Amino acid sequence: DAGVIQSPRHEVTEMGQEVTLRCKPISGHNSLFWYRQTMMRGLELLIYFNNNVPIDDSGMPEDRFSAKMPNASFSTLKIQPSEPRDSAVYFCASSKIHPGLAGAYNEQFFGPGTRLTVL
Amino acid sequence: AQSVTQLGSHVSVSEGALVLLRCNYSSSVPPYLFWYVQYPNQGLQLLLKYTSAATLVKGINGFEAEFKKSETSFHLTKPSAHMSDAAEYFCAVNKFSGGYNKLIFGAGTRLAVHP
Repeated sequence: DAGVIQSPRHEVTEMGQEVTLRCKPISGHNSLFWYRQTMMRGLELLIYFNNNVPIDDSGMPEDRFSAKMPNASFSTLKIQPSEPRDSAVYFCASSKIHPGLAGAYNEQFFGPGTRLTVL
Repeated sequence: AQSVTQLGSHVSVSEGALVLLRCNYSSSVPPYLFWYVQYPNQGLQLLLKYTSAATLVKGINGFEAEFKKSETSFHLTKPSAHMSDAAEYFCAVNKFSGGYNKLIFGAGTRLAVHP
């Protein structure tokens, strides 16, 4: 299994430009998560999808951020327009639900991340 | 509501010494707990998980964690640190809300291992 695939691995852009980050989850997983990691704020959950449907986008910082999941094998996170404060590492993670003794849980697998620098 | 607290944002140990990274959880339901490790410039990798079976959980790279309900703790240990263990470690709890699952992560603990 190739694991979660993210592209690009590095992105450098100028303020005001549109940025699109891409993610391919592990085949068979039905949940997908987008995170942002910075030194100041640590790891933040931006949005997550279940069966391609956005469930919780309360972590999306503002309207400049949008995410889509058109099918089970692809998701995008778009920033338009980008700003220097958006510079961070963006992670995608996927999971499937496991039955447990006390109800279901999910075990997330992370991609390698996209390091975004907005100048 | 579920949450985790990691005590100590930085821990430094000597090579060969015991590693102890602390995590306390808060949960109104029996929790599922996880430890993830992040090596420099990489994504998070699952170290081990507690899913209500054995309270002592063994993971990869010689790490283990013990679930203690009375102390609401899930501390991560390794008997003998190796230089390659230098990384950031995250504790997480599964949150079930509105019929869906997500993970709530702690702030992380950066482990340094010196010769």
